[in-house]
Amino acid sequence: DGGITQSPKYLFRKEGQNVTLSCEQNLNHDAMYWYRQDPGQGLRLIYYSQIVNDFQKGDIAEGYSVSREKKESFPLTVTSAQKNPTAFYLCASSIPGDSSGTEAFFGQGTRLTVV
Amino acid sequence: RKEVEQDPGPFNVPEGATVAFNCTYSNSASQSFFWYRQDCRKEPKLLMSVYSSGNEDGRFTAQLNRASQYISLLIRDSKLSDSATYLCVVNAGGYQKVTFGIGTKLQVIP
Repeated sequence: DGGITQSPKYLFRKEGQNVTLSCEQNLNHDAMYWYRQDPGQGLRLIYYSQIVNDFQKGDIAEGYSVSREKKESFPLTVTSAQKNPTAFYLCASSIPGDSSGTEAFFGQGTRLTVV
Repeated sequence: RKEVEQDPGPFNVPEGATVAFNCTYSNSASQSFFWYRQDCRKEPKLLMSVYSSGNEDGRFTAQLNRASQYISLLIRDSKLSDSATYLCVVNAGGYQKVTFGIGTKLQVIP
């Protein structure tokens, strides 16, 4: 079955450490996104990529980095520069376009906790 | 002005009630529109797409008003299981990002 997979589901990080969250999709989607969600809050865009080897900063990119070396993969690194990284991280993918069928599909999310 | 705006609620409604949510968007060139549902501590899931002519799926009706740049979601005969956060999503088309609203929280009360 096609889908989008995030791993791990839960992640604990010590202060000062970098961690990388995995996101893989086999939907053949060009566009991929990373969002952060804090308790009781909406989704905030961290980074997005519309095509391999290209990505753009979203609204809250500071302290995060991404790469898009393959169409299927869009890993997110939470660096030590991110001062408040504890949150729910969601990866999504979509087909960019102007017709129906351009909805975004989400992975199940990764809960990151700084200990 | 935010790209996509929603009233965060919460909307507390009794079972069986009809409830409506609106969502406004700022980019007049936006091409596609969706409503997502998000349960607590879960990922958002597509509830329904919103078509220019309006569309219905059981108790749910979605409408698009391009002139006023808003979309709406109507839920009839609310069930306890409808309690969730409803996210408005706008896709500007082409190589532009998908934009999510903050979400509207619905609580259906017995």
